[in-house]
Amino acid sequence: RKEVEQDPGPFNVPEGATVAFNCTYSNSASQSFFWYRQDCRKEPKLLMSVYSSGNEDGRFTAQLNRASQYISLLIRDSKLSDSATYLCVVRSGNTGKLIFGQGTTLQVKP
Amino acid sequence: DGGITQSPKYLFRKEGQNVTLSCEQNLNHDAMYWYRQDPGQGLRLIYYSQIVNDFQKGDIAEGYSVSREKKESFPLTVTSAQKNPTAFYLCASSIRLQFTDTQYFGPGTRLTVL
Repeated sequence: RKEVEQDPGPFNVPEGATVAFNCTYSNSASQSFFWYRQDCRKEPKLLMSVYSSGNEDGRFTAQLNRASQYISLLIRDSKLSDSATYLCVVRSGNTGKLIFGQGTTLQVKP
Repeated sequence: DGGITQSPKYLFRKEGQNVTLSCEQNLNHDAMYWYRQDPGQGLRLIYYSQIVNDFQKGDIAEGYSVSREKKESFPLTVTSAQKNPTAFYLCASSIRLQFTDTQYFGPGTRLTVL
């Protein structure tokens, strides 16, 4: 079983839609959690960290459920420019290393 | 402009040849990392360095080598011993320590072995 698992998608949604991605992690000792955005053939860029109490940044909301070991990303009012792959990233509690999920691809259509 | 640069952007290599990928940063970061990304897979850690003249193996170091002679530079050599070298290689850096700070990525080098 992979340490960090994501549904690869693609998620095809119309502009203005609300879309949610989930990610599960296997190591209960994981320390911190992030969502990175990666555009096609580009490097990943930090989108937001995920805090225990949940956090919001504009149209983006991230939540953490430690009991069930999953994190989520909600995107409201999708824009064409949101089309990208979203990487779930977990910091291992054992080694401190970052563990990357394979990514979920989002396509927002006009 | 501060940032991380990688060169070249695209690289083609014949089987059996070694090749070195460049990574330079002017962010004054102590820690630097190399990852590879394969289609449909997450990034995997190859090597990392906390400080000049020190580096550690990551999860998939076999067939690769690195050096850290200067704080700004962390080149990666893909040797002929690497069985499946075709991949997207990403260099990253963070302010200090190993993995406790946000990692910033360079634009990547896409290596194709012919």
